[in-house]
Amino acid sequence: KQEVTQIPAALSVPEGENLVLNCSFTDSAIYNLQWFRQDPGKGLTSLLLIQSSQREQTSGRLNASLDKSSGRSTLYIAASQPGDSATYLCAVNAGGTSYGKLTFGQGTILTVHP
Amino acid sequence: NAGVTQTPKFQVLKTGQSMTLQCAQDMNHNSMYWYRQDPGMGLRLIYYSASEGTTDKGEVPNGYNVSRLNKREFSLRLESAAPSQTSVYFCASSPREGSYGYTFGSGTRLTVV
Repeated sequence: KQEVTQIPAALSVPEGENLVLNCSFTDSAIYNLQWFRQDPGKGLTSLLLIQSSQREQTSGRLNASLDKSSGRSTLYIAASQPGDSATYLCAVNAGGTSYGKLTFGQGTILTVHP
Repeated sequence: NAGVTQTPKFQVLKTGQSMTLQCAQDMNHNSMYWYRQDPGMGLRLIYYSASEGTTDKGEVPNGYNVSRLNKREFSLRLESAAPSQTSVYFCASSPREGSYGYTFGSGTRLTVV
C-alpha cells in the first residue's frame, strides 16, 4: 500500500525566505505526483504536476522536483510572501489498477510572517 | 464561475439518519471523486468515477454509496450515518483520471451526533 509522508508538519518563516517542503512515498512505481495548496476552510488548488519521467516542473516562484527511485519530491518556494501561507499537500498517482486514485500526504502547514 | 459545486456546506445528522451529498461540475471533466479529510489522516478517497457510467471504490468506501447521475453530477450517499463519518467531504473532478487540473469543491462539513 502506497504511503505518503510530508515533512515538516508545520513551518513558520519570515517573508522573503526561500523554503523547501518535502514529500516521500513508499512505492516508487508511480505515474505522476501533484502538489496542491489548501487555504483554511477551502478546497484544494492544483499547483504542479510532475510525470514519472520528469525531474522537475516550475511555475512562477514554485519549483517541484521528483526523484522517483528514492521516493522523494520537494517543493521549493522562492522569496516567500505572506500570501503563500496555506497547507501544502503532495499526492501520488500510483498508476496501473490504482490509476487516478491519488494518495495524499498529511500536508505541511506553512506560515509566512511579515 | 466555473468549478465544482458541493451542497450542503454544513450538515448535522443524528446517528442512523441518511443523507446525500451533492456535487456538480461545469468544466466538462470526465472523472469525478469523493474524498474525506480528517485531522491527522489527510485526504482519503471514498469513491471515484473515471467516466460517466462507471464508479469504483477507493480506500474507505464502507458506509457510503455513490451515483454518477450524468457527466456533471456525482452524489455521495450515507445510508445510516455513524459518528465515525464525521468529517469534511470534498468532491473533485479532473479532465481524465490522474491528469493535471484536479478541481476541488469547497467541502461539506458533516457532524454525526
